[in-house]
Amino acid sequence: DAGITQSPRHKVTETGTPVTLRCHQTENHRYMYWYRQDPGHGLRLIHYSYGVKDTDKGEVSDGYSVSRSKTEDFLLTLESATSSQTSVYFCAIKRGQTEAFFGQGTRLTVV
Amino acid sequence: AQKITQTQPGMFVQEKEAVTLDCTYDTSDQSYGLFWYKQPSSGEMIFLIYQGSYDEQNATEGRYSLNFQKARKSANLVISASQLGDSAMYFCAMRDYNNDMRFGAGTRLTVKP
Repeated sequence: DAGITQSPRHKVTETGTPVTLRCHQTENHRYMYWYRQDPGHGLRLIHYSYGVKDTDKGEVSDGYSVSRSKTEDFLLTLESATSSQTSVYFCAIKRGQTEAFFGQGTRLTVV
Repeated sequence: AQKITQTQPGMFVQEKEAVTLDCTYDTSDQSYGLFWYKQPSSGEMIFLIYQGSYDEQNATEGRYSLNFQKARKSANLVISASQLGDSAMYFCAMRDYNNDMRFGAGTRLTVKP
């Protein structure tokens, strides 16, 4: 299902560098989410958006910022990457009332 | 903010038997939605089943059913007739009135032949 695409799929970056992950949807949904997944923690909400330029913090937002200038794109930025931000990042969209549909994930390694 | 608890880090079940994966949640909202997702070793998140807080009947989707006990704030997933392909991580999630959606830590299910 190509309704949601994350890019890049894999990235290795150095500590202290900025990194931006992109989530692109083709379905015009209002709500979009960014999660990180780490062993033992499940998925933890970083930020979510409820419309263009409308965003809110999740449970692990420190060190992350987001932007949504168009309905279809939700960007996650690590201003200065740290090793603790090594993780798998998932984007999701709220699809109707009964489903949240996920992207394929981005594996980020900070060395 | 809401909290989702999955107390079983790992579960084993014999092929063809039923298994229950536990999930409890904590919220002060009256309107919310509960979800279960499956994550196989390939890593994708697969939606399984949804239960709304006002739904009076337990949700069912094929071999999956959600045992919703609102007063106890539990939303257990029941998988009937387990198959080897059911081996995966399973995540419970809740979306609150503001559409903030949080997940539990997950349960790793292993189906034994």
